[in-house]
Amino acid sequence: NAGVTQTPKFQVLKTGQSMTLQCAQDMNHEYMSWYRQDPGMGLRLIHYSVGAGITDQGEVPNGYNVSRSTTEDFPLRLLSAAPSQTSVYFCASSYTWTGSVTGELFFGEGSRLTVL
Amino acid sequence: KQEVTQIPAALSVPEGENLVLNCSFTDSAIYNLQWFRQDPGKGLTSLLLIQSSQREQTSGRLNASLDKSSGRSTLYIAASQPGDSATYLCAVAIKAAGNKLTFGGGTRVLVKP
Repeated sequence: NAGVTQTPKFQVLKTGQSMTLQCAQDMNHEYMSWYRQDPGMGLRLIHYSVGAGITDQGEVPNGYNVSRSTTEDFPLRLLSAAPSQTSVYFCASSYTWTGSVTGELFFGEGSRLTVL
Repeated sequence: KQEVTQIPAALSVPEGENLVLNCSFTDSAIYNLQWFRQDPGKGLTSLLLIQSSQREQTSGRLNASLDKSSGRSTLYIAASQPGDSATYLCAVAIKAAGNKLTFGGGTRVLVKP
């Protein structure tokens, strides 16, 4: 089973460039989310989705855009990259919302982004 | 605002010793608490999920307890092995935050052979 798949694993951008981080899951999970992990800041939620066509903002949504057209895919778009967006990005999914007994979160391997 | 703290930030133990990892949170109105393991350069792997109505959850050598009233959870790993070396993170789903998990900073564990 593939689980949660993220691409690319590594990316270097110049300030102002845009890009999309891809995330796909094959577990038929309703809930998907994007986190960023920074030293000293821990994991912070960027955006999440509770089903196809439904998205909402997390703690640090500025500079990022998401959409959820299918159950499987949840891409994260950086609109105009800034050095402050240098981070490791994780996509995660769960069968249902995170507060439920079936809210166990499954993570991808991460995408390491550097913005120069 | 919910805060999740894990102390110590790092610890080192000899192989065979039991590991005790601590997690504290400020808002006791939680839905559940989850423990994860993260290996260097990798994603997080779910270890245990404890619902707010539960006192503990067990999986193999792992046992996690939850004391909601005092805002604490403890992860016990019995008879540690070098393969248990990793960073362990806890996260809570709180009622006031909908679908957001709030993570602790993690405890980096080294098990020496």
